[in-house]
Amino acid sequence: SYELTQPPSVSVSPGQTASITCSGERLGDKYTFWYQQKPGRSPVLVMYEDSNRPSGTPERFSGSNSGNTATLTISGTQSMDEADYYCQAWDNSSSYVFGTGTRVTVL
Amino acid sequence: EVQLVESGGGLVQPGGSLRLSCAASGFTFSFYWMSWVRQAPGKGLEWVANIRQGGNETYYVDSVKGRFTISRDNAKNTLYLQMNSLRADDTAVYFCAREGLGRDSSGWYNVGDFDYWGQGTLVTVPS
Repeated sequence: SYELTQPPSVSVSPGQTASITCSGERLGDKYTFWYQQKPGRSPVLVMYEDSNRPSGTPERFSGSNSGNTATLTISGTQSMDEADYYCQAWDNSSSYVFGTGTRVTVL
Repeated sequence: EVQLVESGGGLVQPGGSLRLSCAASGFTFSFYWMSWVRQAPGKGLEWVANIRQGGNETYYVDSVKGRFTISRDNAKNTLYLQMNSLRADDTAVYFCAREGLGRDSSGWYNVGDFDYWGQGTLVTVPS
C-alpha cells in the first residue's frame, strides 16, 4: 500500500519560515493536498493540487511537489498557525492516503 | 454556507452495530462524491469509504470491507455509514467530508481532496 511520511514535529519562531515535508514514492507524479487541524477541531484544507490556496488560506502558505517530496511552507509564521498538518494524495491501489502528520509548534 | 453535521456516534460493545448520519446543506449534495474519514484518539487521519454521486459506486479501506456500508439519500441530502461487527480498533472520531470538484476545459472532475468536513462524531468500542 502507498505511504506518505512526514516529520512528527517542526518548531519555528514567530515570523520565521516553517517547512513541512511529505515523502512518498514518486509523489511528484501525483497531486498533493494539505490540511491544518487545530486541537479538538476538524481538518481544514489549506492547499490543493500541490500549490493552490483555497479561498481563506493566507498567502503566507505555499506548496510545492517534485520527485518524492511535497513541501508545505509557511512564511512569516504566526502563533495561529500552530496546529497539526497532514498531507494527502490519491493512489490507484490505496485510494485516499494521508500522511503521518506533523505538529507545528511556534515557539 | 456549506455545512456537514454528523450524528449517531456513541459507545457500542465489540461485535455491535452503529449507523452514522451526515446531514448536508448549503450545496447541491447530489453533485458530489462524499467520504467518511476517521481519526483514532491521538492518531492521524484515515480515509474509510466513499460513494459516487448517484450512490451506485462505493469504495472502502481494506480494514472495513465486509463490515461497513456507505450509502446516501440524495432526496434527504444525507450520507450514512452502517458499521457492523465493530472492533476496538474502530474507535475514532468519524468525519463526513465532501470531495472537491474542479472544472477545466473538459468539464467537471474530481480534484482528489476533501474540501469541507463535518465536526465529527465519536464512536467508542471498548476492548
